[in-house]
Amino acid sequence: QSALTQPASVSGSPGQSITISCTGTDSDVGGYNYISWYQQHPGQAPKLMIYDVRNRPSGVSNRFSGSKSGYTASLTISGLQAVDEADYYCISYSTSTTPAVFGGGTKLTVL
Amino acid sequence: EVQLVESGGGKVQPGRSLRLSCAASGFTFDEYAMHWVRQAPGKALEWVAGISWTSGSTGYADSVKGRFTISRDNAESSLFLQMNSLRAEDTALYYCAKDRRHSLTYGMDVWGQGTTVTVSS
Repeated sequence: QSALTQPASVSGSPGQSITISCTGTDSDVGGYNYISWYQQHPGQAPKLMIYDVRNRPSGVSNRFSGSKSGYTASLTISGLQAVDEADYYCISYSTSTTPAVFGGGTKLTVL
Repeated sequence: EVQLVESGGGKVQPGRSLRLSCAASGFTFDEYAMHWVRQAPGKALEWVAGISWTSGSTGYADSVKGRFTISRDNAESSLFLQMNSLRAEDTALYYCAKDRRHSLTYGMDVWGQGTTVTVSS
């Protein structure tokens, strides 16, 4: 089972908006809405930022938003802050032989 | 305080077995699906296995299918991962994570700090 495709890195300046994409197939991202996004700072456990494509858990800043179009899910971070610098991962339910697959991760750098 | 604490990791030779445990507290364990996720050093997250609230549904990554078994003891609020026929590529930090729902939806809102498994001769 191949990982979902994410850009290896993205960057932005404080205050700007960035979008991280997560591309799959009709067996995962394109066919289902069990898509979540995680933030991971170095040496820490992942943190859930978005679930079910676009829902934010309580306590997560509304600067984080999720969406999906076709085979691609996206995480948008607006009003970029230094604290947002981290690795970001998407995961999707899948009907292939593996029930769930993560993306390869995207390193966000705040310039 | 909602908490997950993993244990059971260590160094083991290829082909041997290891059993990971995850002790849950601060929430009603038997109402939620649970997962194991691993991360090799410097690598991406990899979903390993998941189990629904009543153990009625389980799932495994292709990379561990037939070798690993996930289970839970709701009376003890504990999650387990039995790992057999271990390989060098199973070396990773193993996280226990709670799903937001009864079933496996992969929205994992509580994570432990992980336990390290090293497979080496």
